[in-house]
Amino acid sequence: DSGVTQTPKHLITATGQRVTLRCSPRSGDLSVYWYQQSLDQGLQFLIQYYNGEERAKGNILERFSAQQFPDLHSELNLSSLELGDSALYFCASSPQGGQGANEQFFGPGTRLTVL
Amino acid sequence: LAKTTQPISMDSYEGQEVNITCSHNNIATNDYITWYQQFPSQGPRFIIQGYKTKVTNEVASLFIPADRKSSTLSLPRVSLSDTAVYYCLVGVVGDTGRRALTFGSGTRLQVQP
Repeated sequence: DSGVTQTPKHLITATGQRVTLRCSPRSGDLSVYWYQQSLDQGLQFLIQYYNGEERAKGNILERFSAQQFPDLHSELNLSSLELGDSALYFCASSPQGGQGANEQFFGPGTRLTVL
Repeated sequence: LAKTTQPISMDSYEGQEVNITCSHNNIATNDYITWYQQFPSQGPRFIIQGYKTKVTNEVASLFIPADRKSSTLSLPRVSLSDTAVYYCLVGVVGDTGRRALTFGSGTRLQVQP
């Protein structure tokens, strides 16, 4: 158990809909990262927040947005969903705030299925 | 964005040493190289991190040449429980000059008895 929690575990929705994925980092970690894992694209970095502020941006679509709240939990919002958004979404946390490849602790993931 | 490449798969037997290499030509100057292990339906798990030369911990070693354009994860005496997918993670600089965290393509290691 990494100490990072993600909810929900599974999510099934329809094209065009909007969903929110939630992540609680390890106690004391200030950085939260979001990743997408699909069969054809592998593990893709989406975005990083550090202590409530956006720190780094990766291949995140404009239809996707994220935020980190004062209690350090984070939410990833996916809107106008398409079939190709079906994937595993991982959240990770780290005590470091740098943009580098720091040691990160991954949650169990949310499996999103868009029908 | 520049690709970070790894062999797709490797096979080994219990007790052997396994070396997995990741190529990252456009690694950011001041960034670490990190390796993760992933089992099916689980999140990646940190194995080891390094900046240059050699790093060793209780489960693996990481070899990084002077130009840092590649790195090699070494797993000594693998067991059946090491069957998993292994990923490198680095910060790379793309064609636009923007830096982004990039996972390697992943190497599926199968350990046989």
